[in-house]
Amino acid sequence: GENVEQHPSTLSVQEGDSAVIKCTYSDSASNYFPWYKQELGKRPQLIIDIRSNVGEKKDQRIAVTLNKTAKHFSLHITETQPEDSAVYFCAASPGNNRLAFGKGNQVVVIP
Amino acid sequence: DTEVTQTPKHLVMGMTNKKSLKCEQHMGHRAMYWYKQKAKKPPELMFVYSYEKLSINESVPSRFSPECPNSSLLNLHLHALQPEDSALYLCASSQGMVAEQFFGPGTRLTVL
Repeated sequence: GENVEQHPSTLSVQEGDSAVIKCTYSDSASNYFPWYKQELGKRPQLIIDIRSNVGEKKDQRIAVTLNKTAKHFSLHITETQPEDSAVYFCAASPGNNRLAFGKGNQVVVIP
Repeated sequence: DTEVTQTPKHLVMGMTNKKSLKCEQHMGHRAMYWYKQKAKKPPELMFVYSYEKLSINESVPSRFSPECPNSSLLNLHLHALQPEDSALYLCASSQGMVAEQFFGPGTRLTVL
C-alpha cells in the first residue's frame, strides 16, 4: 500500500516568515494529495489539495507543489501568523477511498 | 448543510458496556468513513462505506461494529472495549473515491 513520509516533525518559525513542509510518497498510482490542519482538540480541516495533473496550486498564503517524478509534494505557508500554529498532515490517495497520512508536522509560529 | 456532525462529543464507558457513536452528513456524499486517532498521531482508517455498503474494513476487531442505515447516517457500535481503545473517533465523508474527505468534530472516547 501507499506509504507517506513527512518531514520535519516539528517546525518553529518567526511570525511573518515562511514555513515549508515536505512529504514523499511511494505509490506512483497516487493521484490526489490533500493537506489537513489540525488544531489542538479540533477536527482535521482540509486546507488545500492538489491532483496529479497539476504541478502547483495556491490559495492566498498557502501553496502546494507536486513533483510526480520525484514523488514528493510540499506545503508552503507564507507570512506566517500565530493562528497557523497547528499540526499539519499530508496525505496521498491512489483513488480507492483510502488516504495514506504522513505522521504530521507540528508548526509553531513564534510571535 | 456543509458539515459532518458527530454525537456524542465525549463518551466514557466501562469494558462491559455497549454504546454507539453517530455520524451524520447532508452534503449528498456517497462515501463515509470511520477513523481512530490517538494523540499526536495521524488518523487511522477503520471502515469505509461506499453507497451504503461496507467496502473497506481495515482488520478492525469485532468489538467495533459499523452500520450505515442510509446515505446520510453512519453508526459505530461499541461492545467490550479495552482501555487501549480510548481515542478520538472521527467520521468523515466524501463525494467519491478521489475526492476531498471532510471530517466531523469527533467523539472523545475513554474506556475505563
